[in-house]
Amino acid sequence: ETGVTQTPRHLVMGMTNKKSLKCEQHLGHNAMYWYKQSAKKPLELMFVYNFKEQTENNSVPSRFSPECPNSSHLFLHLHTLQPEDSALYLCASSQVFGTDTQYFGPGTRLTVL
Amino acid sequence: DQQVKQNSPSLSVQEGRISILNCDYTNSMFDYFLWYKKYPAEGPTFLISISSIKDKNEDGRFTVFLNKSAKHLSLHIVPSQPGDSAVYFCAASPGNTPLVFGKGTRLSVIA
Repeated sequence: ETGVTQTPRHLVMGMTNKKSLKCEQHLGHNAMYWYKQSAKKPLELMFVYNFKEQTENNSVPSRFSPECPNSSHLFLHLHTLQPEDSALYLCASSQVFGTDTQYFGPGTRLTVL
Repeated sequence: DQQVKQNSPSLSVQEGRISILNCDYTNSMFDYFLWYKKYPAEGPTFLISISSIKDKNEDGRFTVFLNKSAKHLSLHIVPSQPGDSAVYFCAASPGNTPLVFGKGTRLSVIA
């Protein structure tokens, strides 16, 4: 399989649930990103990992917890989310952190009830 | 404050005509610009990029123009095709920091 994959594609969870989103890239890239896309808003960068080290955390609430066990895998652990967290969560990777073309996965559509 | 602005949320163009999507930015340190295209239920896909040392970059039917003095970027699609109907995002970076995205413009190409 090639490119950037994300699982699950759709997720519905209650506010007390704990779930995880998974991202895997098969491109040999060194940087991975989590974005949130809400309706009528720009893509919001949440977290960045460069060579497995977290380099950015854009004031994201602690109910979102990222994990990057290796340069090919990225997780987003979710717990006690709010309905306003419902959005499309996109993972991306790039060869080099920063000024480099990012390649996106298909996203996970999350609905928090 | 939005550093990358796409002021037109939507655009409709007839098939075969030119589509022009616009993007303005405020950060004069931006030196690398990209356009992404997004279909429903898919992630954005890279379309074309331009660095600040150039004012034009062309790839097939897609051309990106950069006007640094006006802090303005545009994407031209000629001729437009129904398969071009998607949301187009403009993105920019000053280097060594992640991309900053605009809100997107939804392009509809009418057959």
